[in-house]
Amino acid sequence: DTAVSQTPKYLVTQMGNDKSIKCEQNLGHDTMYWYKQDSKKFLKIMFSYNNKELIINETVPNRFSPKSPDKAHLNLHINSLELGDSAVYFCASSRSPPGEQFFGPGTRLTVL
Amino acid sequence: AQKITQTQPGMFVQEKEAVTLDCTYDTSDQSYGLFWYKQPSSGEMIFLIYQGSYDEQNATEGRYSLNFQKARKSANLVISASQLGDSAMYFCAMRELTTDSWGKLQFGAGTQVVVTP
Repeated sequence: DTAVSQTPKYLVTQMGNDKSIKCEQNLGHDTMYWYKQDSKKFLKIMFSYNNKELIINETVPNRFSPKSPDKAHLNLHINSLELGDSAVYFCASSRSPPGEQFFGPGTRLTVL
Repeated sequence: AQKITQTQPGMFVQEKEAVTLDCTYDTSDQSYGLFWYKQPSSGEMIFLIYQGSYDEQNATEGRYSLNFQKARKSANLVISASQLGDSAMYFCAMRELTTDSWGKLQFGAGTQVVVTP
C-alpha cells in the first residue's frame, strides 16, 4: 500500500543525457511537489502542482520540466543533464488546503 | 535569508535518554505550520509531528513532542526515551500560509542524531 511511489529509485547517467523520474500517489491528494536534496542533505522545493496546474516554480533551470498528467501523477523530466544535477529528488503530496506532506522514497540521480 | 535554523549539526544521545533538537524560524506570517521529519540512513522522509501557529497546546505524537515557543519563534523537537532506531537526520520545516506559498515546505539544514547503547 505505497502512498507515494517514485521510479526509478536509482538513476545513473552520463552528462548531456535526458532522463525522467515518475511519481504517483494513491492518497487522493490534489497537490504534489518535487524537492531536491543536495549532497549536504539540504532540501529545497523545486515545483508544485495543484490539480494539474503549476503553482510553484522555484527558479529551477528550464532544463527541468515537470508534467502532471492527472492529480495522482507528477513526473520530472530533465534535459541535458549536468554534473550539478546529481542529487536525491523527492516527490511529495498533500491535500489542499495544504496539510502535512507525505514523501516518496526518493530517486538518487548520479550524473557522470 | 534562511527561514529555518537548526544550530546543532550533530548530537550523540544515550539510549533511553531524552534529547531536544533545536529549531528557530523566521516569518512575518501570522498563519504558518511547523513540521519535523526524520530521515534514516535508508533515505526516506518520515513525517513526525506538526504544530500550527494558532495551536495553543504543544503537539505530541507518542515519544515525540514539539516545544512551541511562539514569541521566541522556536519549535524544538523532544524525543523521549531514545531508541537505537531513532538514529537519523532530523529536519525542521515551515510552511507559510500566504497565497503564493501554496504549502511549500522550507527546511532547515538538519541535525544528525546518533543514539548509543
